[in-house]
Amino acid sequence: NAGVTQTPKFQVLKTGQSMTLQCAQDMNHEYMSWYRQDPGMGLRLIHYSVGAGITDQGEVPNGYNVSRSTTEDFPLRLLSAAPSQTSVYFCASRIGTDTGELFFGEGSRLTVL
Amino acid sequence: SQKIEQNSEALNIQEGKTATLTCNYTNYSPAYLQWYRQDPGRGPVFLLLIRENEKEKRKERLKVTFDTTLKQSLFHITASQPADSATYLCAGGANNLFFGTGTRLTVIP
Repeated sequence: NAGVTQTPKFQVLKTGQSMTLQCAQDMNHEYMSWYRQDPGMGLRLIHYSVGAGITDQGEVPNGYNVSRSTTEDFPLRLLSAAPSQTSVYFCASRIGTDTGELFFGEGSRLTVL
Repeated sequence: SQKIEQNSEALNIQEGKTATLTCNYTNYSPAYLQWYRQDPGRGPVFLLLIRENEKEKRKERLKVTFDTTLKQSLFHITASQPADSATYLCAGGANNLFFGTGTRLTVIP
């Protein structure tokens, strides 16, 4: 099992550009989520999904879109990148929809100039 | 709003000693708390989960306590080793996890 795979690992964008961070898991987990991690702020939840076709907002959803067309994939889209979105992004999944340990990807470091 | 706080940003201890990290929660009552380890440039890795009706949980050299009166969890690493040096994250919540900012532990040989 590969676990949770995120691509790309590093990305530099210019303000106003759009891009998609990819996340895939091969553990048949129902729950998937995206967090961003900033110095002094900890991990903050952006969006989450409890199953294919179902998504919802977390703490800091503005500027991001998600979709969940399959159980395996949960891409995060930045529609018009801003410098405030410079961060490290983590995708995480778990087997249950309401409890249990999270399995994290290795992260995607995004810089917006 | 609900909050998880890890007040110690960094902790240095001597090899062989017990490291104790603190996690406090405010404005809600989590059904469980979790602890994760994060190494530089890597994603967090799950260590332990403790439920509100469990006072203590152990796994090898790790021990976690959950005090609902103090609204606090303590995370202990006994017989610490330099390889235990990492950032440790506390998380709580129900459907979604809220994370503290972490404590960076350095074990000095």
